[in-house]
Amino acid sequence: KAGVTQTPRYLIKTRGQQVTLSCSPISGHRSVSWYQQTPGQGLQFLFEYFSETQRNKGNFPGRFSGRQFSNSRSEMNVSTLELGDSALYLCASSLVGALTEAFFGQGTRLTVV
Amino acid sequence: TQLLEQSPQFLSIQEGENLTVYCNSSSVFSSLQWYRQEPGEGPVLLVTVVTGGEVKKLKRLTFQFGDARKDSSLHITAAQPGDTGLYLCAGNQAGTALIFGKGTTLSVSS
Repeated sequence: KAGVTQTPRYLIKTRGQQVTLSCSPISGHRSVSWYQQTPGQGLQFLFEYFSETQRNKGNFPGRFSGRQFSNSRSEMNVSTLELGDSALYLCASSLVGALTEAFFGQGTRLTVV
Repeated sequence: TQLLEQSPQFLSIQEGENLTVYCNSSSVFSSLQWYRQEPGEGPVLLVTVVTGGEVKKLKRLTFQFGDARKDSSLHITAAQPGDTGLYLCAGNQAGTALIFGKGTTLSVSS
């Protein structure tokens, strides 16, 4: 079955602009999580959505937001982009359950100039 | 404060050598996963350990979960260039999202 699909793969934006990233989870997976990965900080949790509701949230400013649709697809939005937002943004989907094994997409490489 | 500490941060070895990567925490986890990530790709799940003291083997890779479920190790026997990548451990606590360590970058040269 198809894996997690993230679009676009690469993105270049200017400071102050906003950006929307998309994630389609594995069929049947209802939980979608977003992570920001940078060389210095590693993988940092942004938020998790389950059944269109935000279930967990990481320690990021309000410029970072997300949502999940009824088909479990998810989007994340970053407004007023800053240079420090340049990173690989990863989406992971998982089944509901205690183990919460995450299956990741290839990520979106965002560069802010 | 990083909840999961991985060591070493970088490891460069020759093909055929053995190595061990560590993942430590002061917190208890209900399960712990190991992932491998290659440049430009997302992490790929290698294994999940659930029970304290559990040992799992995946070909030349051996994973162990500490008795107290606070730490884990990954041992690779006879490393090959194809093992090169970023190894990440991630812990699961009830009601929270997966928490990742910063990873160990492994380079295996032939």
